[in-house]
Amino acid sequence: DQQVKQNSPSLSVQEGRISILNCDYTNSMFDYFLWYKKYPAEGPTFLISISSIKDKNEDGRFTVFLNKSAKHLSLHIVPSQPGDSAVYFCAARRHRDDKIIFGKGTRLHILP
Amino acid sequence: DAGITQSPRHKVTETGTPVTLRCHQTENHRYMYWYRQDPGHGLRLIHYSYGVKDTDKGEVSDGYSVSRSKTEDFLLTLESATSSQTSVYFCAISDGQGFTEAFFGQGTRLTVV
Repeated sequence: DQQVKQNSPSLSVQEGRISILNCDYTNSMFDYFLWYKKYPAEGPTFLISISSIKDKNEDGRFTVFLNKSAKHLSLHIVPSQPGDSAVYFCAARRHRDDKIIFGKGTRLHILP
Repeated sequence: DAGITQSPRHKVTETGTPVTLRCHQTENHRYMYWYRQDPGHGLRLIHYSYGVKDTDKGEVSDGYSVSRSKTEDFLLTLESATSSQTSVYFCAISDGQGFTEAFFGQGTRLTVV
């Protein structure tokens, strides 16, 4: 049973435009949500997080939105840059045992 | 970079042999995690630890065991490696105080032939 779902395996966006990556979750016990970026042959690196008590968190070009009623979060990258081409993972932490569960990832291609 | 080191970085082993992967941290973080990454599956949690000698199963724990005898080391053991365990394995650490993000190691590429 997949608790964190990223339904788009890949996404292509023109350089300079907005990239929107989506994530859905099924478990109401998650209290923190995170986004990670991964380049080939490297470990995932943390991008941005949001607490379940908030609906928006912004850090530079990256903004994460959380809609708890819909159990949905999204990562907005604006403007998109060539270096943003990578795989993006959505993750959620379960409060009661601190397990961190990841989605399958979305590969983002930034087109010149 | 967070002080987290995985060893070995690459390993080829034969089916049926035991294999141990090591994760070493210098951050004194409480939580340590082992994930595997496979095409089409993303990152799946194998086991994690919330303190010395305290471990719990993740999503795909069958065929794996772990041990944490001291804060800085978290070992993942494949008792009898199978081809389905060919994967890239990542270790992660987290402070867990309030909340901080989990930091990942560089990964271990394991091939079981």
